[in-house]
Order: sequence, then C-alpha cells, then structure tokens
Amino acid sequence: GENVEQHPSTLSVQEGDSAVIKCTYSDSASNYFPWYKQELGKRPQLIIDIRSNVGEKKDQRIAVTLNKTAKHFSLHITETQPEDSAVYFCAASKTSYDKVIFGPGTSLSVIP
Amino acid sequence: EPEVTQTPSHQVTQMGQEVILRCVPISNHLYFYWYRQILGQKVEFLVSFYNNEISEKSEIFDDQFSVERPDGSNFTLKIRSTKLEDSAMYFCASIPGTGLIGYTFGSGTRLTVV
Repeated sequence: GENVEQHPSTLSVQEGDSAVIKCTYSDSASNYFPWYKQELGKRPQLIIDIRSNVGEKKDQRIAVTLNKTAKHFSLHITETQPEDSAVYFCAASKTSYDKVIFGPGTSLSVIP
Repeated sequence: EPEVTQTPSHQVTQMGQEVILRCVPISNHLYFYWYRQILGQKVEFLVSFYNNEISEKSEIFDDQFSVERPDGSNFTLKIRSTKLEDSAMYFCASIPGTGLIGYTFGSGTRLTVV
C-alpha cells in the first residue's frame, strides 16, 4: 500500500523567512496530494492540494510542487508569520474520494 | 461555513466497554470517513463509507469496529469492546459528491480508555 514520508520532522524559522517541507510517496497510482495544517488540539485543516496533472499550485503565501516521476512533492510557505506555527501533514491518495494516507507530520515553529 | 460536527468531544470509558462516536457530516456531502490520531502521531485511515456501505477499511478496522448511517444525518463509529490502545483522537470527515473539494474534518472525539 501507499507510504508517505515527510521531512523534516521539526522546522524552526525566523518570522519572514521561508519554510519548505518535503514529502515522498511510494504508490505511482496516487494522483491527489493534499496538505493539512493542524494546530495544537484542533482538527486537520486542508490548506492546499494538488492533482497529478499539475506541477505547481500557488495560493497567496503557500505553494506546492509535484514531481510525479520522482514521486516527490513539497510545500513552500513564504513570509512566514507566527500564526503559521503548527504541524503540517502531507498526504496522498488515488483520487480525492479515496482514503488519504498521511505523512508523519512536520512541526513548524515561526519565531517572532 | 458548514461544519462537520462530532459528539462527544471527550469520552472516557472502561476497557471492555462499548463506545459510540457520533458525527453529523455536512448535509450535501456523500462520502464519509473515520480517521484516528494517537497522541503526537500521524492521522490514520480507518474506514470510508459511501452509498450506505463501507467502501474501504484499513487493517486497524477489525471486527471490534463498525460504522452506521442510521438516518439521513448521523454517521457513527462503534467500538464494541474497547482496548487501552484504542485511546486516540477520532476524526470524522466528509466530502461532497463532486470530489473537487478535499476533506472537511470534524473537531474530533478524544477517546480515553482506562
């Protein structure tokens, strides 16, 4: 079955700097890659997703890139703010209807 | 903004007891899911549900687990005989039929088995 790896496990950046989180997946049949942000004690919230027919997607300060050949995808957050501090999970699934396999998470701390 | 509602927010139960976790998905959503998250760990898939039947289940979802949509709104997860290792946060999620929007997760039920 699908396996999603994520690096780094923890990331600390200064406010205003960029943060990059990288993920790999194992199942070449995966075509849908969502990213979730989870604040302490709260539910995971979808922040951006990308489908395999697209190599890059951007939404304000957040961008995701996908390399299907290498089975890599990444989250880029620019101009980080303290409220970006949370655990970020990458995930993969065959379609947006199917089960989503989560990565182990990256704890991001943005230092004011 | 529509929300997925889960009750209770926290449940404490004795080992071996049955628990029912309840979810009210967003009204026009057609696909429903249960996930769990052991404290400090990743979110794990349990089961997906569509058209009143299970679409897929994980190896975690053994005979102790069952799901039901008893009426047009509620979606429940039952654990028949709880074990200590069932202690986790349980999240319900749903998506609309179009599949163009990713999961909306509920606020979760923290289950503590003592």
